[in-house]
Amino acid sequence: NAGVTQTPKFRVLKTGQSMTLLCAQDMNHEYMYWYRQDPGMGLRLIHYSVGEGTTAKGEVPDGYNVSRLKKQNFLLGLESAAPSQTSVYFCASRPGPQETQYFGPGTRLLVL
Amino acid sequence: DQQVKQNSPSLSVQEGRISILNCDYTNSMFDYFLWYKKYPAEGPTFLISISSIKDKNEDGRFTVFLNKSAKHLSLHIVPSQPGDSAVYFCAASAQTGANNLFFGTGTRLTVIP
Repeated sequence: NAGVTQTPKFRVLKTGQSMTLLCAQDMNHEYMYWYRQDPGMGLRLIHYSVGEGTTAKGEVPDGYNVSRLKKQNFLLGLESAAPSQTSVYFCASRPGPQETQYFGPGTRLLVL
Repeated sequence: DQQVKQNSPSLSVQEGRISILNCDYTNSMFDYFLWYKKYPAEGPTFLISISSIKDKNEDGRFTVFLNKSAKHLSLHIVPSQPGDSAVYFCAASAQTGANNLFFGTGTRLTVIP
């Protein structure tokens, strides 16, 4: 099992560019999450999904969109990147609501 | 506004001694608490949790204590080992299994051999 993987590991964007971060899990988990981590702050939830075809907003959803077309993948999109979106992005998944979350290794994004 | 706070950014402890990591929270609705451990270039991994119906939970060398009246929890690691050197995050949610987890800023633990 690869667990939770994230692509890419690192990316530099210019302001206004768009990109998609991919999260994939091979554990057949229903629930998936996207977080961001900024210096001096804890991880903050951006969006999450409780099953294929469903998504919901977390604590800091503005500027991001997500899709869960396949159970194993959770995509995070930035339509028009801003310097404030410079961060480390973590994806997580878990089998169900009573289980703990398994995290991916993170994607470091720099928006210039 | 940070609802979960870890006021010590770093902590150094000698190998074999006890490490105590602290966490405070402000939201009285929180009733489920977790600790995650993070190594560089990896994602956080779950360590231990506690529900508000308990005041202590133990798992091997790791014990979490919860003081609801003080809105404070702590993680004790005894004995500390060099492999415990990592960043430790405290997290809280309003119920067990809730999707919104609120994380603290982390404490970097260094265990000195």
